[in-house]
Amino acid sequence: NAGVTQTPKFQVLKTGQSMTLQCAQDMNHEYMSWYRQDPGMGLRLIHYSVGAGITDQGEVPNGYNVSRSTTEDFPLRLLSAAPSQTSVYFCASNQAGGSSETQYFGPGTRLLVL
Amino acid sequence: GQQLNQSPQSMFIQEGEDVSMNCTSSSIFNTWLWYKQEPGEGPVLLIALYKAGELTSNGRLTAQFGITRKDSFLNISASIPSDVGIYFCAGQAWDNYGQNFVFGPGTRLSVLP
Repeated sequence: NAGVTQTPKFQVLKTGQSMTLQCAQDMNHEYMSWYRQDPGMGLRLIHYSVGAGITDQGEVPNGYNVSRSTTEDFPLRLLSAAPSQTSVYFCASNQAGGSSETQYFGPGTRLLVL
Repeated sequence: GQQLNQSPQSMFIQEGEDVSMNCTSSSIFNTWLWYKQEPGEGPVLLIALYKAGELTSNGRLTAQFGITRKDSFLNISASIPSDVGIYFCAGQAWDNYGQNFVFGPGTRLSVLP
């Protein structure tokens, strides 16, 4: 199993540009999530999905879109990048069901918006 | 948004020393998770705790799920240089919107040779 994979590892954008951060998992997990990590702020949830075709907003969803057409993939789209979106983005997945869950993270995408 | 309180913020210790860090919350969680993050990498799961009072070990690491379900601690015994990194706690619970993971701000550990 590759686990959770993310591409690209690094990206530099100009303000106003758009891009898609890719995330894939091969563990057949139902739940997938996108977080951003900023210095001193821990991990903050952007969007999440509880299964193919179902997505919902997290704590900081503004400026980001997601879709979940397959169980494996959960891309994150920045429609018009802003400097405030400079951050490290992590995708995570976990299995659904039961009362206890364990979440697994990808290696991250480092984004700089100029 | 909700965050966990994690202490200490940072630690500088000598190689061979034991380390203790903890995480507290005003909310109850079903699961406590401890992650380690090294520079340029994503968080890697170290230990998962599923029941109040549970004490679990993973090599030199030991973690406990607090009886009140509002706290957890992580101990590292006989630290070595490769223990350097940021340690995050996370609590998981179900709310009206589904599952919810909440993360602490991290404890940055430095090990001096």
